[in-house]
Amino acid sequence: AQRVTQPEKLLSVFKGAPVELKCNYSYSGSPELFWYVQYSRQRLQLLLRHISRESIKGFTADLNKGETSFHLKKPFAQEEDSAMYYCALRVGNTDKLIFGTGTRLQVFP
Amino acid sequence: DTAVSQTPKYLVTQMGNDKSIKCEQNLGHDTMYWYKQDSKKFLKIMFSYNNKELIINETVPNRFSPKSPDKAHLNLHINSLELGDSAVYFCASSQGTRGAGYTFGSGTRLTVV
Repeated sequence: AQRVTQPEKLLSVFKGAPVELKCNYSYSGSPELFWYVQYSRQRLQLLLRHISRESIKGFTADLNKGETSFHLKKPFAQEEDSAMYYCALRVGNTDKLIFGTGTRLQVFP
Repeated sequence: DTAVSQTPKYLVTQMGNDKSIKCEQNLGHDTMYWYKQDSKKFLKIMFSYNNKELIINETVPNRFSPKSPDKAHLNLHINSLELGDSAVYFCASSQGTRGAGYTFGSGTRLTVV
């Protein structure tokens, strides 16, 4: 079955602390993974895609096929990082994105 | 210049009514989607259209009917609205190629009273 699991509903850290938002997936094909961010009452925005191995706003994510994970990391959290973060898996043949349940990141000053 | 625009942003209506939400994208994308975000912030795909053709229909009640007059537009019509339909509905589009993410609209917050 195709599934994306984000085990943490809420992650609270202080400004300057490292952040890791966990994402695990279940998919029999070649996975294509994304991280989306939703700031308060705004639209979802694409943050990262594993295929481009980029760093956006200081965030990085590495696909680990052995552990079926795509965790999102940032070494030093900022208050403006507070948002909902969604991990998503693209199912290739239908172009469907399956989202995890999301993790709310709260960064305190 | 908004890439994916939805109207209306807010919709409050009574149970039993019929309502429509419109979506338009100016990105030239081939594929458009409707997602529902419930009160727990869980996002679930409802429909997907590719070049006006329905390709995904995810166990959504028949009261929901998408319509795509052309590949730049995907509207959602909902008949006989129920309390459980209250949610934020997001439209999105993508090019459908490997690595292409979705571009989302700003959402329509539907409240059924």
